[in-house]
Amino acid sequence: ETGVTQTPRHLVMGMTNKKSLKCEQHLGHNAMYWYKQSAKKPLELMFVYSLEERVENNSVPSRFSPECPNSSHLFLHLHTLQPEDSALYLCASSQERWGQTQYFGPGTRLLVL
Amino acid sequence: DQQVKQNSPSLSVQEGRISILNCDYTNSMFDYFLWYKKYPAEGPTFLISISSIKDKNEDGRFTVFLNKSAKHLSLHIVPSQPGDSAVYFCAASEGGGADGLTFGKGTHLIIQP
Repeated sequence: ETGVTQTPRHLVMGMTNKKSLKCEQHLGHNAMYWYKQSAKKPLELMFVYSLEERVENNSVPSRFSPECPNSSHLFLHLHTLQPEDSALYLCASSQERWGQTQYFGPGTRLLVL
Repeated sequence: DQQVKQNSPSLSVQEGRISILNCDYTNSMFDYFLWYKKYPAEGPTFLISISSIKDKNEDGRFTVFLNKSAKHLSLHIVPSQPGDSAVYFCAASEGGGADGLTFGKGTHLIIQP
């Protein structure tokens, strides 16, 4: 595997479900990110991790809970989501924080019913 | 309030001609700018970047121009090829400041044969 991978690629869940999105980067990077892309909106930064420490949380509701167990893996735990949370969730990584080119995974297309 | 704006949702260009994609920004603290290309069902792919200390960066068929006084950047693709048909996102970051990238809404480039 090369680059940034994400699983699952597609996910349908009910509002009472709990699910997790997984991201893995094979680039030896130290920073990882979660973005959300809703229809007709720009990509929105959700969370930033640098060296496994969360360094930014852009006012994301607590029903989204990130976890970074090591510098290669990033999770986004989902619980009691709302239909408006349906979107494309993208993971990215960069060598370091700040001003660095970020490399994106293919995304997880989430539908909340 | 959007800090990075791509005012053209779509652009149609004939194959072989020059494609010019535009981007405006409002945050004077941005000092690193990137262009990403995105195909359907894939994550954004990094294309080219430019630091605020430069006004031009070229990589093969792709050239990015930065006009700091106008807070404007543009991506030139010449000659345009059918495989260039995709959505192009402009992104910006504050080096040493906020983490993550701020994205525009994207411009859908269509290359006509």
